Amino acid sequence: QKEVEQNSGPLSVPEGAIASLNCTYSDRGSQSFFWYRQYSGKSPELIMFIYSNGDKEDGRFTAQLNKASQYVSLLIRDSQPSDSATYLCAVRGNNNDMRFGAGTRLTVKP
Amino acid sequence: DAGVIQSPRHEVTEMGQEVTLRCKPISGHNSLFWYRQTMMRGLELLIYFNNNVPIDDSGMPEDRFSAKMPNASFSTLKIQPSEPRDSAVYFCASSLGDIGREAFFGQGTRLTVV
Repeated sequence: QKEVEQNSGPLSVPEGAIASLNCTYSDRGSQSFFWYRQYSGKSPELIMFIYSNGDKEDGRFTAQLNKASQYVSLLIRDSQPSDSATYLCAVRGNNNDMRFGAGTRLTVKP
Repeated sequence: DAGVIQSPRHEVTEMGQEVTLRCKPISGHNSLFWYRQTMMRGLELLIYFNNNVPIDDSGMPEDRFSAKMPNASFSTLKIQPSEPRDSAVYFCASSLGDIGREAFFGQGTRLTVV
């Protein structure tokens, strides 16, 4: 069974701090990795994707991938109250499936 | 493009009734996914299609669940008979078929079985 695991949280950080979200996956054949954000009562929306080992930065967001350790992370710098949401890690396998972790709820306190 | 369109947005039904959820993917997308989201189990992949063909339905919880994709612009998820434990938000998502492509989600259908 292919698994995607996230630190369950909830995670609370003060405004302006760095929030760190982690994810591990079981399928070594996984090809691509995504972070989605989901506000309460809304559908998931893409924040970032990463395919290669290393870091990828987009504004205040940095995704990190380590395929040897089967580990993906998301860092949010200068966290804002508007970042408060549930963050979902998603993994796309080599047979084109797309599976999600259970999500980590982040609260950024003003 | 209008994005992924799901209907209905909300459905309340009585236990034992048949429920049909509908999805129109983004035009040109050839992968379609059905998910179920609950507090307890998170976002579960139920079934997905590539080029209208079901690839993996191992996530479908029971034989009461079935899904079809008769053409590239329409898919249904049917529950017959429905049970209270089926209450959840059901999402449809679509993507281009390339491995690296992200999935775009519909607004979801909130199903309540009483």
